[in-house]
Amino acid sequence: GENVEQHPSTLSVQEGDSAVIKCTYSDSASNYFPWYKQELGKGPQLIIDIRSNVGEKKDQRIAVTLNKTAKHFSLHITETQPEDSAVYFCAVPNGGYQKVTFGTGTKLQVIP
Amino acid sequence: DGGITQSPKYLFRKEGQNVTLSCEQNLNHDAMYWYRQDPGQGLRLIYYSQIVNDFQKGDIAEGYSVSREKKESFPLTVTSAQKNPTAFYLCASSVGGANYGYTFGSGTRLTVV
Repeated sequence: GENVEQHPSTLSVQEGDSAVIKCTYSDSASNYFPWYKQELGKGPQLIIDIRSNVGEKKDQRIAVTLNKTAKHFSLHITETQPEDSAVYFCAVPNGGYQKVTFGTGTKLQVIP
Repeated sequence: DGGITQSPKYLFRKEGQNVTLSCEQNLNHDAMYWYRQDPGQGLRLIYYSQIVNDFQKGDIAEGYSVSREKKESFPLTVTSAQKNPTAFYLCASSVGGANYGYTFGSGTRLTVV
């Protein structure tokens, strides 16, 4: 099955700094790469995604970059704010694209 | 507004009892999923369904059962055979399976007392 590794597991940044979270995957046929944000006690929420025919996608302060050759994709958050504090998960399709494998999560803390 | 509704938000179960968690969506999504999340852990797939009247086991299906009689509903039963059921349970749906984003419900926190 798909092997997804996510790093770092925890990340603390000062408000206004940037944060980067990276995921690596094993199945070179994967072609859809989403990122989810989970706030305490809530369900995850899709915040950005990218397909394999694109190298980068931006949405205001967040961006996702994809390196298909190296089989990794990253979430970039610029000008971090306290409300960005949450757990972030990457995900990669597998199992004939009927299900996804989630990364182990990154707990981001933005220090005011 | 469209979305996924999970109920109840909190559920307490005595040992030996079966309990059913509700998941309803009005997004007209074909695919639905159940995940289990333990404290500080990631998401583990319990069951999933691509279409009405069909479902498949995920990675940790033992001690759980599901049904998919209607497109909008995908209830999960936690049976007495599940030895460690205390966890946060999340339901999700997708318009077209794993190559599309998931919409998650707000979760049900199950505690065995």
